[in-house]
Amino acid sequence: SQLAEENSWALSVHEGESVTVNCSYKTSITALQWYRQKSGKGPAQLILIRSNEREKRNGRLRATLDTSSQSSSLSITATRCEDTAVYFCATPRSSGSWQLIFGSGTQLTVMP
Amino acid sequence: AQTIHQWPVAEIKAVGSPLSLGCTIKGKSSPNLYWYWQATGGTLQQLFYSITVGQVESVVQLNLSASRPKDDQFILSTEKLLLSHSGFYLCAWRGGSYEQYFGPGTRLTVL
Repeated sequence: SQLAEENSWALSVHEGESVTVNCSYKTSITALQWYRQKSGKGPAQLILIRSNEREKRNGRLRATLDTSSQSSSLSITATRCEDTAVYFCATPRSSGSWQLIFGSGTQLTVMP
Repeated sequence: AQTIHQWPVAEIKAVGSPLSLGCTIKGKSSPNLYWYWQATGGTLQQLFYSITVGQVESVVQLNLSASRPKDDQFILSTEKLLLSHSGFYLCAWRGGSYEQYFGPGTRLTVL
């Protein structure tokens, strides 16, 4: 089973709306990352949130981390069509590990 | 600034034929480099990693091999392609912490 897993396979919103992608993970982590992958491109990191952080922001993006429930969320406000992408959460396999484990991803579609 | 380049952009190959994919990173000394595979619509699966020239560790056995002939170069290859090798191959380097920076990828179709 996945060490990290997004909770929705696909979401769709209209431009300007807000959306939240959720992720759950199964092991103790030191950090969790959110990546975005646009069609035909390599993923790009959006936010890295460490286990001692509750919230991290990057412009219109806000990530939260709840270590007690082993879950994280990525919220996007004022969505734009160019936010259409697959969103992955990723965690190291274990503390200090070089290996990242990616969730299965959530396809977000932002409609005009 | 660091730049990562992958070649070719896309390949269409026959089952049983050999394959060589390349990755070059510029502007980063002694990078930790990674190869990933992604099935269409799937997640990213780490295949290999390398922390220095001549050293490669395998994560998943998919009848593929990797080599690090130069500090800035990472090669993925196989002598005989399978249908299951089709997908999107991504090279990445590791930043200061856990973050990884991905190249543009190579789309491989095996027929």
